[in-house]
Amino acid sequence: AQSVTQLGSHVSVSEGALVLLRCNYSSSVPPYLFWYVQYPNQGLQLLLKYTTGATLVKGINGFEAEFKKSETSFHLTKPSAHMSDAAEYFCAVSLSGNTPLVFGKGTRLSVIA
Amino acid sequence: GAVVSQHPSWVICKSGTSVKIECRSLDFQATTMFWYRQFPKQSLMLMATSNEGSKATYEQGVEKDKFLINHASLTLSTLTVTSAHPEDSSFYICSARVPGQTTYEQYFGPGTRLTVT
Repeated sequence: AQSVTQLGSHVSVSEGALVLLRCNYSSSVPPYLFWYVQYPNQGLQLLLKYTTGATLVKGINGFEAEFKKSETSFHLTKPSAHMSDAAEYFCAVSLSGNTPLVFGKGTRLSVIA
Repeated sequence: GAVVSQHPSWVICKSGTSVKIECRSLDFQATTMFWYRQFPKQSLMLMATSNEGSKATYEQGVEKDKFLINHASLTLSTLTVTSAHPEDSSFYICSARVPGQTTYEQYFGPGTRLTVT
C-alpha cells in the first residue's frame, strides 16, 4: 500500500530564509507525486507535480521539489520565504488514474517577519 | 481550465436536519469525483469516490446511509449529510480528475464549512 510521511507538522522560518518541507513516500511501483498548498478555509491548490522525466520539478510561487527514488523522498524547497507562503502544505502520491490521491498529514509553514 | 466549484461555501444547520453540498466541474466533464473531510489542523480524509451513473464507493468506516452521494451528471456530484449531528461539523472538500489526463492530479473545490448546532 502507498503512504506518505511528512516530517514536521509545523515549520517556522524567517522571511527570506530557505524553506524545506520534507516528504517521504512508500510505494511498490513508481508513483506520481504532488505538493498542494492550502490557505485557511480554502481548497487545495497544486504547487507542483512529478510524473516522469526530470526529477527536479519547478512549480508556482518559486517552489521546487526533487524526486529522489533512492531515498523515496520528494522534499519541497523555496530559496527565500515570503510572508504570503504561510499556509498548510500537503504532499500526496498516486499510483494510477483510478485511485485517489493519498495525502500526508500536512505541514504548517509559518513565516516570521 | 479544470475548475471545480462547491456550493454552499458555508452552512449552519440544526441537529437532526439534512444538508446538501454540491460539487461541480465547471469546464470539464468528470466521470469520477472524490469527497474528503477535513477536521481542524488535520489532513484530508477520503470519504468516498463518486462515479457518474453508478453507486459511490465509500471508504471503510464511512456511513453510507448518513453521507449520501449522488453523481447524476458528468458535471455534478452531491453529498447529503442526513440527520446531521454536531460531530459532523467539519470542512468538506470535493475534487475531480480530468478524464484522459495522464498526470493523475486532482482539482479541488474551495470547500464547504458545515457547522451543526
